Amino acid sequence: GNSVTQMEGPVTLSEEAFLTINCTYTATGYPSLFWYVQYPGEGLQLLLKATKADDKGSNKGFEATYRKETTSFHLEKGSVQVSDSAVYFCALRSNFGNEKLTFGTGTRLTIIP
Amino acid sequence: KAGVTQTPRYLIKTRGQQVTLSCSPISGHRSVSWYQQTPGQGLQFLFEYFSETQRNKGNFPGRFSGRQFSNSRSEMNVSTLELGDSALYLCASSLGGVGTPSDTQYFGPGTRLTVL
Repeated sequence: GNSVTQMEGPVTLSEEAFLTINCTYTATGYPSLFWYVQYPGEGLQLLLKATKADDKGSNKGFEATYRKETTSFHLEKGSVQVSDSAVYFCALRSNFGNEKLTFGTGTRLTIIP
Repeated sequence: KAGVTQTPRYLIKTRGQQVTLSCSPISGHRSVSWYQQTPGQGLQFLFEYFSETQRNKGNFPGRFSGRQFSNSRSEMNVSTLELGDSALYLCASSLGGVGTPSDTQYFGPGTRLTVL
């Protein structure tokens, strides 16, 4: 079945540091890949997505590239801010008409001023 | 455009009771999915409804059920509550076309259920 393996947290960085959160996946076919973010007390917000190999999703300074050869979708940001503190989830959905999202375990990110 | 709304936001119940949670999707979205989020199990898929029909189902006991109305609003019911049902229940809506994995699911704020 489909699965997502995500970098274990928590991750603590200083403001303006470079961020990488690793995500690898196992899936049949050609899934779509997503990063969602969850702020305290809230639901999930879509951060970015990529739907085919070599696609790059980007939003709010965050980027992730769909790498089929390494089955990865690592999240990066060049300079993090305190407001980026949240839990980040990598997820996939297969292309076989199933609406279910398969999530990673989440990575808690804390940015220190 | 209004986002996904869920009511109530917080619920406290006792073991053995039943509970109904409500979800209103984004206008025009026909698919509604439900997920359970707990610290131990993470995010787990419960079920998905499209055009009033359950299209997919996760691995949860029959105590968990749902339905969807003609206006795409959905409800989730949990009967005979157990302590382990304490969780954040998230609803997500999408356009719902078949074979469109890029179709984005938009999440509501969740309902926090506490079972005492």
